[in-house]
Amino acid sequence: GESVGLHLPTLSVQEGDNSIINCAYSNSASDYFIWYKQESGKGPQFIIDIRSNMDKRQGQRVTVLLNKTVKHLSLQIAATQPGDSAVYFCAEGGGSNYKLTFGKGTLLTVNP
Amino acid sequence: DSGVTQTPKHLITATGQRVTLRCSPRSGDLSVYWYQQSLDQGLQFLIQYYNGEERAKGNILERFSAQQFPDLHSELNLSSLELGDSALYFCASSPTPGRSTDTQYFGPGTRLTVL
Repeated sequence: GESVGLHLPTLSVQEGDNSIINCAYSNSASDYFIWYKQESGKGPQFIIDIRSNMDKRQGQRVTVLLNKTVKHLSLQIAATQPGDSAVYFCAEGGGSNYKLTFGKGTLLTVNP
Repeated sequence: DSGVTQTPKHLITATGQRVTLRCSPRSGDLSVYWYQQSLDQGLQFLIQYYNGEERAKGNILERFSAQQFPDLHSELNLSSLELGDSALYFCASSPTPGRSTDTQYFGPGTRLTVL
């Protein structure tokens, strides 16, 4: 069935380093992808999205890369800060499917 | 603050009971989505409403039901509660006709504990 998975369940980085969080998706019909950040005790917070007609999109300190050939999505965070510590989820959607399918999440820990 | 509100923040109840969770979407948003988040299952889509009508269904149990009212707020009803229903329940809303390409904005969640 459809699934969205993450390669790494946890990621620990030093403050100031760049972080890369990866995600694999299996539904080739998906044409919309989102990254969410969830801090402890809070709901998921939208970070950045990308549509399948793009392979890269940049935001403030974040970049999402989409490789449709291998069905892979990544989130790059530049100059990671302690406030970036959270669980990051990728989600896919699109086509005739109204729902988003979420991956299980990656816990990012930023060490000062 | 996403603009989506959920009440209550915490709910503790016993097995076999019924509870109602409430969600108010962002101003102007017509679509409401409900998700369940547990430690072992991650974020699971339950159901979506658009402008009062059910639009999509996910992994929602028969014991669970939802509705969206004319003022666009939504309620998720959980009945015959079991220990395994303990989880965080999130509501999200999106601005336009409920296509999955809409960005969904999440509320703070309701933490349900079934004892």
